Amino acid sequence: DTGVSQNPRHKITKRGQNVTFRCDPISEHNRLYWYRQTLGQGPEFLTYFQNEAQLEKSRLLSDRFSAERPKGSFSTLEIQRTEQGDSAMYLCASSPPGQGYSPLHFGNGTRLTVT
Amino acid sequence: QKEVEQNSGPLSVPEGAIASLNCTYSDRGSQSFFWYRQYSGKSPELIMSIYSNGDKEDGRFTAQLNKASQYVSLLIRDSQPSDSATYLCAVQAGGTSYGKLTFGQGTILTVHP
Repeated sequence: DTGVSQNPRHKITKRGQNVTFRCDPISEHNRLYWYRQTLGQGPEFLTYFQNEAQLEKSRLLSDRFSAERPKGSFSTLEIQRTEQGDSAMYLCASSPPGQGYSPLHFGNGTRLTVT
Repeated sequence: QKEVEQNSGPLSVPEGAIASLNCTYSDRGSQSFFWYRQYSGKSPELIMSIYSNGDKEDGRFTAQLNKASQYVSLLIRDSQPSDSATYLCAVQAGGTSYGKLTFGQGTILTVHP
């Protein structure tokens, strides 16, 4: 059973550069979520996809952030013109389809450091 | 008021003791409740889920839910040093929330030998 996979694990970038992260969810999961976590805080919701449709975006997701999930499989999160405040762990999670409520399965995250 | 609040930490207990972690939430429509464990530098790992009022036991872990009081807790019996981690309470709203989880800020637990 392969879990949620995220790449890269670590990214160091200079302020003003663009970065892109990738998430491969568990294969049968049609729901995909991006969260951001800073030190000492719980994960904060950024955006949600059901299949290829982006159904919800947090107010935290500024215009510099964009996420895609072409073909409803893997997802990418791009941050343009990075700022030091973007430094955080970016977590991807997925969950299976269905009417019931099910927990989210998290990937190992991408730790972004903006210098 | 934060949507999900956890008791302030850090919490330190001796090995073999019971660790008690508490969480309150503001949305009365919340349907599902989860406890995640997160080791330093790692991603959250699900340890318990609870959906109805009462207690749910799984090994050394017991989750307790009281929807009337909007309160959920996690008890860890016979605490071990390997239980030392940050524990995150997560709440899933009902309706068309798409399963989105709202997390508390986490409680750091240290179990000392």
